[in-house]
Amino acid sequence: DGGITQSPKYLFRKEGQNVTLSCEQNLNHDAMYWYRQDPGQGLRLIYYSQIVNDFQKGDIAEGYSVSREKKESFPLTVTSAQKNPTAFYLCASSIKRMAQETQYFGPGTRLLVL
Amino acid sequence: QKEVEQDPGPLSVPEGAIVSLNCTYSNSAFQYFMWYRQYSRKGPELLMYTYSSGNKEDGRFTAQVDKSSKYISLFIRDSQPSDSATYLCAMSEGGSEKLVFGKGTKLTVNP
Repeated sequence: DGGITQSPKYLFRKEGQNVTLSCEQNLNHDAMYWYRQDPGQGLRLIYYSQIVNDFQKGDIAEGYSVSREKKESFPLTVTSAQKNPTAFYLCASSIKRMAQETQYFGPGTRLLVL
Repeated sequence: QKEVEQDPGPLSVPEGAIVSLNCTYSNSAFQYFMWYRQYSRKGPELLMYTYSSGNKEDGRFTAQVDKSSKYISLFIRDSQPSDSATYLCAMSEGGSEKLVFGKGTKLTVNP
């Protein structure tokens, strides 16, 4: 089955610790995205990547880092510089349709701070 | 003024009712409009996709776009308890890789 997988489903972070969230897609999509979702705040874009070895900051990139070494994979690291990391993290990938990229989402990772 | 405004609800309706969900926006350059459905603790799933103004129907769901009023709607006919979810509108400019999301409306359909 084609789709987007995210792991783990739940992740716990200790103070001062970096943690990495995994996102993998087998849809052969070129672009991938990371969003953060907080209650009442909607989805906010953290980073996105249009092609391998290239990525751009979104609206709330501070305290996060990404890499895009393979087309299928776009891991997100939440660094110790992110002071309020508790949130639901969503990965998406996109395919061009009528010159517009329609985004498809993974199941999400819930990050909690111990 | 926020770029996309969406009433968060919550909205509670009886089974079988017609549901109307709406978003307004300020950026006249938006051309592509989407509705996503998100069940609790799950990722959003694409429900409807519309380009420019007009209507699009898919089963019990109808999406409407009125660019002159900067207003989009999602109608759900014969609503079912399984429609209970948060509905997110999203939109973008032509050729843009970025989507702008509304904050979502939480819908509950009561049996």
